[in-house]
Amino acid sequence: EPEVTQTPSHQVTQMGQEVILRCVPISNHLYFYWYRQILGQKVEFLVSFYNNEISEKSEIFDDQFSVERPDGSNFTLKIRSTKLEDSAMYFCASLNLGVQGQYFGPGTRLTVT
Amino acid sequence: AQSVAQPEDQVNVAEGNPLTVKCTYSVSGNPYLFWYVQYPNRGLQFLLKYITGDNLVKGSYGFEAEFNKSQTSFHLKKPSALVSDSALYFCAVRDGGNMLTFGGGTRLMVKP
Repeated sequence: EPEVTQTPSHQVTQMGQEVILRCVPISNHLYFYWYRQILGQKVEFLVSFYNNEISEKSEIFDDQFSVERPDGSNFTLKIRSTKLEDSAMYFCASLNLGVQGQYFGPGTRLTVT
Repeated sequence: AQSVAQPEDQVNVAEGNPLTVKCTYSVSGNPYLFWYVQYPNRGLQFLLKYITGDNLVKGSYGFEAEFNKSQTSFHLKKPSALVSDSALYFCAVRDGGNMLTFGGGTRLMVKP
């Protein structure tokens, strides 16, 4: 069964550094998403991406965040200047048709020190 | 704004017994409802969904969920629990948009 993959599985960075989290969605999917889960808290929506542009974003997704689909297979989340509170598990998801369930990757654990 | 509540942080059940994991939701339009399961060090795996039609939805691994519009609930059920069902379960809702809103999760512990 096709899967969403994410790299790295764990990223440690210093406060103020830029990080890029990478995702390879399922190949025929058209909608792409990033979610995050701070330890012990709910999974929170960050952003959705369709047709090479952001279709929806949450209030968490401020100017420090950006997404890109640079080459038709990868889908990246960039945090320009990380803060301690950005430490979380970041999940990528993709979707083919609008009413189906989103398929999630295994997540990248980001630790900001 | 849409929201999801999972009132139980943990549900304990003996293997072979039926299980229920509760979920209630709030959404302005017609709800699209989902259950996901998370095993340790794994991503969220899609279990089942309700979009429209029959209120009883069957999903993966023998799980089912019942949509109850009057009670705004979408409880997850399984007639006979397995130890391997032990995991973290998330209920989620969408309105017509893209954004999934998740509940806080319920840890299911199935004991032999």
